Amino acid sequence: DAGVIQSPRHEVTEMGQEVTLRCKPISGHDYLFWYRQTMMRGLELLIYFNNNVPIDDSGMPEDRFSAKMPNASFSTLKIQPSEPRDSAVYFCASSLRDRSSPLHFGNGTRLTVT
Amino acid sequence: DQQVKQNSPSLSVQEGRISILNCDYTNSMFDYFLWYKKYPAEGPTFLISISSIKDKNEDGRFTVFLNKSAKHLSLHIVPSQPGDSAVYFCAASALRYGGSQGNLIFGKGTKLSVKP
Repeated sequence: DAGVIQSPRHEVTEMGQEVTLRCKPISGHDYLFWYRQTMMRGLELLIYFNNNVPIDDSGMPEDRFSAKMPNASFSTLKIQPSEPRDSAVYFCASSLRDRSSPLHFGNGTRLTVT
Repeated sequence: DQQVKQNSPSLSVQEGRISILNCDYTNSMFDYFLWYKKYPAEGPTFLISISSIKDKNEDGRFTVFLNKSAKHLSLHIVPSQPGDSAVYFCAASALRYGGSQGNLIFGKGTKLSVKP
């Protein structure tokens, strides 16, 4: 099993540019989560999907952030326009439906906005 | 306002001794708790979990204790090994309908260093 795959691993961009982060969840998992990790706030949930449908996006910080899941094997998190305060590590995770099934995380994308 | 708090940013322990990592929570609706371990440049990986109907769960060298009245849980690692050196995150969730996945709230983590 390949695990959750995120790309790119590192992204450096200038303020104002559009950034797209990608995620391929584990096959057969019903849920997909996007988390952001910063020193100040730790790991915070941005949005999660169930069967490709967004369930809770209350953690998305601003309208500059958007996430899509066009099919069961792919999701994107887009930031447009990006700002320096968006610099963080963004994790994607997937899981089965049952709450006792743990989240499986990808290795993250480290985003730096200059 | 943090719902899940790990008040010790770091902990250093000698190899072979016990490591105790602590976690406090404020939301009485939380009824399922997990610990994740994270190595540098990797995503968190699941370690152990406990439901609120239990007060202890054990898996090999790892034991999680839950004190609901104090809203406190702890992770014990015994004996500690250098390979256990990592950041440990406590996480909690509240029951959603049908027992399905919901919002998992993480603490900020405790960095454990196990010295040979």
